[in-house]
Amino acid sequence: EAGVTQSPTHLIKTRGQQATLRCSPISGHTSVYWYQQALGLGLQFLLWYDEGEERNRGNFPPRFSGRQFPNYSSELNVNALELEDSALYLCASSLEADKGYYGYTFGSGTRLTVV
Amino acid sequence: SQQGEEDPQALSIQEGENATMNCSYKTSINNLQWYRQNSGRGLVHLILIRSNEREKHSGRLRVTLDTSKKSSSLLITASRAADTASYFCATGTIDAGKSTFGDGTTLTVKP
Repeated sequence: EAGVTQSPTHLIKTRGQQATLRCSPISGHTSVYWYQQALGLGLQFLLWYDEGEERNRGNFPPRFSGRQFPNYSSELNVNALELEDSALYLCASSLEADKGYYGYTFGSGTRLTVV
Repeated sequence: SQQGEEDPQALSIQEGENATMNCSYKTSINNLQWYRQNSGRGLVHLILIRSNEREKHSGRLRVTLDTSKKSSSLLITASRAADTASYFCATGTIDAGKSTFGDGTTLTVKP
């Protein structure tokens, strides 16, 4: 069974540009979560999508947005990139029924560097 | 502020020794999860303990939960160099639809 896949692995963007990160959940998982991890720090919750809808959002500005497609894959968009957006962006999935009660399965992340 | 806070921030031990990491949290939870992260990569789910459980085992891992003290501990017995990683606790609540992570404990196991 394929795990959670994220692409690209690394992304380098210039300040002010837009970045698009992609995530494919485990087959059968309908919930997708996005987390930001700045270097050496813990995970900050960004967004939760379930059945195509945004269910919850962390304390991030509106330039962080995303969507979930009918096949449950998800996209995270970061507009007007700032230097402090440089981080590892992690995607996780879980079964909708448990909404993470059984834990998440994480992807390997996308390392975004803003220069 | 983070819901879960790990302690210590860093831990260095010799191979074969036991490693204990602690997690404290602030509000009522439905479950508490422990994850491992190697070298800034994705997190691997280790174990989940529910609020009505007090102790759980998985191989060399033992997790305890004290809801009265709002704390949990992760014990890794007979540590190996391959256990070198960052360990995070995450608290789950029923309605939040998300888990809140601490800043992690960095464990170094010296061969």
